[in-house]
Amino acid sequence: KQEVTQIPAALSVPEGENLVLNCSFTDSAIYNLQWFRQDPGKGLTSLLLIQSSQREQTSGRLNASLDKSSGRSTLYIAASQPGDSATYLCAALKTSYDKVIFGPGTSLSVIP
Amino acid sequence: NAGVTQTPKFQVLKTGQSMTLQCAQDMNHEYMSWYRQDPGMGLRLIHYSVGAGITDQGEVPNGYNVSRSTTEDFPLRLLSAAPSQTSVYFCASRAGTRRGANEKLFFGSGTQLSVL
Repeated sequence: KQEVTQIPAALSVPEGENLVLNCSFTDSAIYNLQWFRQDPGKGLTSLLLIQSSQREQTSGRLNASLDKSSGRSTLYIAASQPGDSATYLCAALKTSYDKVIFGPGTSLSVIP
Repeated sequence: NAGVTQTPKFQVLKTGQSMTLQCAQDMNHEYMSWYRQDPGMGLRLIHYSVGAGITDQGEVPNGYNVSRSTTEDFPLRLLSAAPSQTSVYFCASRAGTRRGANEKLFFGSGTQLSVL
C-alpha cells in the first residue's frame, strides 16, 4: 500500500529565502508524482508533474526532483515571496489507471 | 473549457438525509475521483473511476455511493448523512493513458458539507 509523507508539516521563512519541501513515498514503483498548491478555502492547483522516467521538472521559481530509488521528491522554491504562502501537497500515482494518493501537506508561511 | 465543476458549493444537511454532490468535467478525462479533506487528516480518497461504467473504492468509501454513466459526470451520493461526513469534498479528474504523458490532476473548487 502506497503511503506518502511530507516533512516538515509547517514552515515559516523570511521573504527572499530559498527553501526545500520534502515528500517521501513507500512504494518506489510509481508512475508519476505531482506537487500541488492549496490556498485557504480553495481547491488544489497542480504545480509540477514528474513522470517516473524524469529526474526533475522546473516552472519559474519552482523545481521538483524525483528519486525513485530512495522514495523521495523535493520541491525547491527560489527567492520565496509572501504570495507563496499556502499549503503544498505531493501526490503519487502507481500506474496510469490507479488512484492518486496524497501526502498530508506542508503549510508554508513567507514573512514579508 | 470550464474544467471541473462541482455543485453545490455549500450544503447543510440533517442527520439521516440523503443528497448528491455533482461533479462534471469538460476535458474528456477518463479518470475521475472524489476526495474528502478534514483538518489533520489530509485528502482521503472516497471513490474513483477510470472510465464510464467503471468505479472502485478508495480509502474511505463507507456511506458513499458513486456511478459513472457518462465520461463527463461523476456524482457522489450520501445515502444517510451522518455528522462524521461533515467535511470539504473535492472532485478531481485527469486524462488516461490514451491522452499521452500529461496527466495532471485537475480539481474542482470543493463543496463544504455540514451535517447537523
